[in-house]
Amino acid sequence: NAGVTQTPKFQVLKTGQSMTLQCAQDMNHEYMSWYRQDPGMGLRLIHYSVGAGITDQGEVPNGYNVSRSTTEDFPLRLLSAAPSQTSVYFCASSMASGAYEQYFGPGTRLTVT
Amino acid sequence: GENVEQHPSTLSVQEGDSAVIKCTYSDSASNYFPWYKQELGKGPQLIIDIRSNVGEKKDQRIAVTLNKTAKHFSLHITETQPEDSAVYFCAAVNNAGNMLTFGGGTRLMVKP
Repeated sequence: NAGVTQTPKFQVLKTGQSMTLQCAQDMNHEYMSWYRQDPGMGLRLIHYSVGAGITDQGEVPNGYNVSRSTTEDFPLRLLSAAPSQTSVYFCASSMASGAYEQYFGPGTRLTVT
Repeated sequence: GENVEQHPSTLSVQEGDSAVIKCTYSDSASNYFPWYKQELGKGPQLIIDIRSNVGEKKDQRIAVTLNKTAKHFSLHITETQPEDSAVYFCAAVNNAGNMLTFGGGTRLMVKP
């Protein structure tokens, strides 16, 4: 199993550009989530999904969209990037029906100039 | 929503000593408390967890304790080794089980 994979590893955007951060897992996990990590602030939940076709907002959803058309993939879309979205983004998944025992991907470091 | 606070933010110990990291949470309905270890440039890795019906759990050199009345839980690492150096995060899952809230992290440095 590859576990949780994220692409790209690094990305630089200009303000106003859009992009999609990819996340995939090959463990048949139902629960998937996106977090952002800023210095000194731990990880904060952006969006999560409890299964294909179901998504919901986390703590900091503004400026981000998600969709879950398959069990394996959970992309995160930035519609119009802002400098405040400069962060490291982590995707995670869980075999449980909720946010328990999550496995994290390696992260995407995003810089918005 | 849930609020998780973690102390200390940095901790330096001598190899072989014990390390203790403490967290408090605000939502008394929270029922699951994991601890994650994050090494430089990597994603967080689950190292131990505890559920609300258990007071203590051990796994080799790592133990976690939970006091539901006081709403705090702690991570204990005994006989620390240089490879224990990392950032450690506590977290709490809400009662619905769908959202995980993290503490701010503790940078642990183990000096050889």
